[in-house]
Amino acid sequence: SQTIHQWPATLVQPVGSPLSLECTVEGTSNPNLYWYRQAAGRGLQLLFYSVGIGQISSEVPQNLSASRPQDRQFILSSKKLLLSDSGFYLCAWSLGGADSPLHFGNGTRLTVT
Amino acid sequence: AQSVTQPDIHITVSEGASLELRCNYSYGATPYLFWYVQSPGQGLQLLLKYFSGDTLVQGIKGFEAEFKRSQSSFNLRKPSVHWSDAAEYFCAVGVRLADKLIFGTGTRLQVFP
Repeated sequence: SQTIHQWPATLVQPVGSPLSLECTVEGTSNPNLYWYRQAAGRGLQLLFYSVGIGQISSEVPQNLSASRPQDRQFILSSKKLLLSDSGFYLCAWSLGGADSPLHFGNGTRLTVT
Repeated sequence: AQSVTQPDIHITVSEGASLELRCNYSYGATPYLFWYVQSPGQGLQLLLKYFSGDTLVQGIKGFEAEFKRSQSSFNLRKPSVHWSDAAEYFCAVGVRLADKLIFGTGTRLQVFP
């Protein structure tokens, strides 16, 4: 069966510091991969998604970036964090297609101080 | 543009009472629709999905949802709520040719004994 791992679970970082969140999927090949951010009272905002290695689609212009160095690895990064980057970050995968459900990791709670 | 509206931010019900969570979507074609549930500090779990066919779909944990094209709605229902149903619920629409889901802002459900 497929599993998704996301780490760390919680992270406290100062403003201006770099960020790297990692997500890996096991048990499937060539999944679509997604990064969502959930801010209090604002639902889920799609940040990036990828349909293959090296293919990244950005939904929201900001100081975050994403990379997919391997088929089942998805990384969310920032060179300099802002206070507004605080939130709950969720990684997800799907088999592809608009009718394919997303399967979510347990999330990373990021607090920028 | 595609969008999902969940008009109720917060709903409170008594245990054993019936439940209906509202979801309205905006989409130019026949939509793929989903309901997810999120427990505090966790990722999202798929409750049910609608692609085509019978407009009343059954999901896990005793939930069901009805697709009404004329009203652009996909409301989630449960005849008798349990205390463990307290969580946040998200409606989503799948965007064809874009391999992504658009989520509503969520409805937080509180259950009183």
